[in-house]
Amino acid sequence: DAGITQSPRHKVTETGTPVTLRCHQTENHRYMYWYRQDPGHGLRLIHYSYGVKDTDKGEVSDGYSVSRSKTEDFLLTLESATSSQTSVYFCASSGTGGSVYGYTFGSGTRLTVV
Amino acid sequence: EDQVTQSPEALRLQEGESSSLNCSYTVSGLRGLFWYRQDPGKGPEFLFTLYSAGEEKEKERLKATLTKKESFLHITAPKPEDSATYLCAVRSEAAGNKLTFGGGTRVLVKP
Repeated sequence: DAGITQSPRHKVTETGTPVTLRCHQTENHRYMYWYRQDPGHGLRLIHYSYGVKDTDKGEVSDGYSVSRSKTEDFLLTLESATSSQTSVYFCASSGTGGSVYGYTFGSGTRLTVV
Repeated sequence: EDQVTQSPEALRLQEGESSSLNCSYTVSGLRGLFWYRQDPGKGPEFLFTLYSAGEEKEKERLKATLTKKESFLHITAPKPEDSATYLCAVRSEAAGNKLTFGGGTRVLVKP
């Protein structure tokens, strides 16, 4: 009954290769977000979307791109993976008007770039 | 720019030893302060939302309070199952629906 599903859950990739992480939500939420979580930095916003085909950059967007072709799906692409992008990536969503819950989160994708 | 600082970074407690976690924030127009619990290998799970100074929320052994500059998460008589990372986040007028998170407090409760 997960509201947000992320895939894959774990991935190991080589430096310089493109990588796409997927996020699927069944909440019919308008807003979707990609965060990365690193020790000592907490959760930092990479990109977010405020509607289909409407996206904007967060505080750590360099080296990442996103796409949202349907309400349910939000893709994060690492154009050419680097070791500094080794992290745990979380997708989140929220409805309009400011949800009382803040965000609904996925379970995360652990990405290792070797 | 919204800023959130949590302290301490880590907390080791004996079962039954009550303590408090701090979340200090700087925002322009607070539109909500959120507490989440995160277990290893999982996404954050919602605990509480506070909107105005003086507000308090309780759930089992957890109680969250809010002032104009900080929030506290009090853990009363903790049990080992309360071991987790606790995250604080704020939503502001300027940021719209986006949340800004603190670095979290890792809590370990030993039996």
